[in-house]
Amino acid sequence: DQQVKQNSPSLSVQEGRISILNCDYTNSMFDYFLWYKKYPAEGPTFLISISSIKDKNEDGRFTVFLNKSAKHLSLHIVPSQPGDSAVYFCAALTSGTYKYIFGTGTRLKVLA
Amino acid sequence: EAEVAQSPRYKITEKSQAVAFWCDPISGHATLYWYRQILGQGPELLVQFQDESVVDDSQLPKDRFSAERLKGVDSTLKIQPAELGDSAMYLCASSFGGLETQYFGPGTRLLVL
Repeated sequence: DQQVKQNSPSLSVQEGRISILNCDYTNSMFDYFLWYKKYPAEGPTFLISISSIKDKNEDGRFTVFLNKSAKHLSLHIVPSQPGDSAVYFCAALTSGTYKYIFGTGTRLKVLA
Repeated sequence: EAEVAQSPRYKITEKSQAVAFWCDPISGHATLYWYRQILGQGPELLVQFQDESVVDDSQLPKDRFSAERLKGVDSTLKIQPAELGDSAMYLCASSFGGLETQYFGPGTRLLVL
C-alpha cells in the first residue's frame, strides 16, 4: 500500500519556466511533509518542508503548497534552472513516530 | 560542512556471500537511519536508531539483515547471505531527532550476482 504517491515519473520544463511537482498521500495522520532532491550517485538532499498547520512555505525559488482536504502537496520551482535537473522525492511523516514515508520520485529535466 | 560518510560506495558480491556497510553520521546526531532504495522507487526505512537503541526495525528482514550501533555513533548494516533481490542502493541518514532534518550520505550501491 503506497501511502505517498508521485504519479508523474518524469517532467520536462524549459529553463526560466515554472516546474510543478505533485505528491498525493492517503494517511490522514501525516502532519509533516518534506521535499528532497537527488542527483545521480549522491544521497538525497533536503529542499523544503511544511507542517500541516500551514498551507504554504516558501524558500527562494522553491514553494511548497499543502492541500489537506485533498491530501495533496506540490512543489513549485520558479524560475527553473538546468541545475534543478534531478529526481525529486516527497516524504511524509507523523509527529511522534518520525518515520519518513517516501514517494517514488519524479525526474525533472530542465531544458536550456 | 559536516557530512554523513558511508563506505564502500560500491559493492559487487555473489549470492550467498556476506556483505557489510558502514555509516558515520554527522557528529552530535543521535538518530541514525538505514534505508534501502530500489531503482525507480523511493527510499524505504530498514532500521532507525536513537543513540545505540533500535527504535524501529519493522521493515528489516531479520533472517538475513542485521544492524548495530554499538557506541551510539557509527553503524554497520550486514546482509548474510545476500540474495539477488538485495541489489539496491543502501542509504544512511542522520539527524538530531524529531522533526529535525535528515541528512543523507552518498549511499552504497550493492549488486548481487
